[in-house]
Formats: sequence, structure tokens, C-alpha cells
Amino acid sequence: RKEVEQDPGPFNVPEGATVAFNCTYSNSASQSFFWYRQDCRKEPKLLMSVYSSGNEDGRFTAQLNRASQYISLLIRDSKLSDSATYLCVVPRAAGNKLTFGGGTRVLVKP
Amino acid sequence: AAGVIQSPRHLIKEKRETATLKCYPIPRHDTVYWYQQGPGQDPQFLISFYEKMQSDKGSIPDRFSAQQFSDYHSELNMSSLELGDSALYFCASSFGQTNEQFFGPGTRLTVL
Repeated sequence: RKEVEQDPGPFNVPEGATVAFNCTYSNSASQSFFWYRQDCRKEPKLLMSVYSSGNEDGRFTAQLNRASQYISLLIRDSKLSDSATYLCVVPRAAGNKLTFGGGTRVLVKP
Repeated sequence: AAGVIQSPRHLIKEKRETATLKCYPIPRHDTVYWYQQGPGQDPQFLISFYEKMQSDKGSIPDRFSAQQFSDYHSELNMSSLELGDSALYFCASSFGQTNEQFFGPGTRLTVL
């Protein structure tokens, strides 16, 4: 099993709709989780950090389910500019290198 | 706010040549990380430095070396370049060895 896994998508989302997708991780000792957003050929940009059960920032909500070892990202009222690849990132328990989950591609359409 | 700076942004080299990539972290950030991202792939961790000492090592080829200098900037030296080294190379920085890493714009290396 991969350390971090995501549904690659793409998720085709009508503008204004809500979309949610999950990320599963294998290391039950993981304490922190991150969602990054990456546009084509650009750098990953930190979207949200999750240290406890979840986090919310405007239209974005992250939920952590430790029992089932997954985190989710929900985007409400999708904008065209939300089209990107969303990377689930889980640091290794030892050290600080980041393990990426492959990314979920989201396409918001008018 | 100041971000991570990487130079050059684009680099074209021939096989067997050498390349040096530079990274200037966010001011007051003392930890630098290097990642390699091939087409359609996740960023892969190469190496990191904390307070000028190597703190972690990933899948970095022996042909590559890196260091962090007294002003906290870092350089990734790549020798005997191969076609497969063509990729985006990202530098990220953080304050302390926390996990919130902020990425630079990347250097796109093309080996011909």
C-alpha cells in the first residue's frame, strides 16, 4: 500500500457546486497533514494545514478521520480559479520530508 | 511577503555537463529542502538542511550534492547530467524543522 493515496480524478465540477475528495495514509502515527494546490508547471502552494480533527478556511474545509486514516478536502461554491491539482501531503513520522499523494485534479467549468 | 527565490528559472544543459541550482529561503527560515518533480509525477524529496547541516536525505543520486551556506541559501550541484535528470527542481523552506514548507517557483532543467 502506498504511504499516501489520492483519487487522481479529474473531478469535473460545475461552477458554484461543492466538491469533496479524500486522501488515505498508511502511517497511523502521522500527526500533521497538509493540502497543497499546484497549478500546471507551477510550485505547490500551501492551502491548509491539519493538526487535529480538521480545519476550515473560507470555502475550503479539511476533515481528518484518524480511525479510518483519511483526510478530506471540501470546496464549496467552486470558482473557475479553483481548477488545479490538489496534493495531499503527509510528513514522514521520522524526519521532515514530505510524502505526496499523487494529487487530485479538479476542473471547474462554467 | 517575501517568498522563496530560485535561480535560474530555466536551464538547458547537454548530457555529462554540470549544473548548479540556487535557492534563497524566506527570510528567517533556517531549513531548506530540495525536491525533484518529473512530468506527471509528485515532487520527490532529495535532501534537506537545517542550520547549515544536512538534516535528511532522500532519493538524491550520488552525482548530486548540495549544501547550505551561512546566509541560509542553498545550492544543488548536479554533475554528469543525464537525460533523466530533466525535471522541475523545487526548493522549499521552513522555520525550524516544522512541516509547513513553502515552495519556490522552481528551476526547469532540460538535459539534451
